[in-house]
Amino acid sequence: QKEVEQDPGPLSVPEGAIVSLNCTYSNSAFQYFMWYRQYSRKGPELLMYTYSSGNKEDGRFTAQVDKSSKYISLFIRDSQPSDSATYLCAMSEVDSNYQLIWGAGTKLIIKP
Amino acid sequence: NAGVTQTPKFRVLKTGQSMTLLCAQDMNHEYMYWYRQDPGMGLRLIHYSVGEGTTAKGEVPDGYNVSRLKKQNFLLGLESAAPSQTSVYFCASSYWRELNNEQFFGPGTRLTVL
Repeated sequence: QKEVEQDPGPLSVPEGAIVSLNCTYSNSAFQYFMWYRQYSRKGPELLMYTYSSGNKEDGRFTAQVDKSSKYISLFIRDSQPSDSATYLCAMSEVDSNYQLIWGAGTKLIIKP
Repeated sequence: NAGVTQTPKFRVLKTGQSMTLLCAQDMNHEYMYWYRQDPGMGLRLIHYSVGEGTTAKGEVPDGYNVSRLKKQNFLLGLESAAPSQTSVYFCASSYWRELNNEQFFGPGTRLTVL
């Protein structure tokens, strides 16, 4: 079993829909939780990060961490075709925060 | 700033050939990483470096070697390429003081081994 599980998709939704992307993990020592976005044939770029539990909002994006369930989510409101990309979750422990453990990535397609 | 650059962008090798992938960053980052990305498997860490002159193994180091002679450069070598090394290779760098360890990625190198 992988330390981080993420449904690879693809997930196809109409423009304007609310998108929910999720990852589950098994290591209770993870404290940093990140979402990276990767456009086709490009390198990943950091979208959001959260330390420990709770929610974080940035414009149309909301990241949630539920440590009791070992479950993290990324919500995208009013989705746009430009949001079409692969979204990768990544996590790390406090004392080895330079090493990230990655999910496989979910391919998201927003249909105009 | 160019950020993280990778050379070459594409390469086709025959089994048994060798090659070196070059990564350069101009952000004065201490940490540098080499990943490979395969369909359905996400990013897997090959080797990483926490400073000039230091390297360490990641999750999938076999068949690869690395060197970090200068802070801004991180080289990934394949001594005898195998078809299983066909992949997209990404280099990344990060600043050690950042708690969230934001990693900045290069554009990738697409390698095919025949």
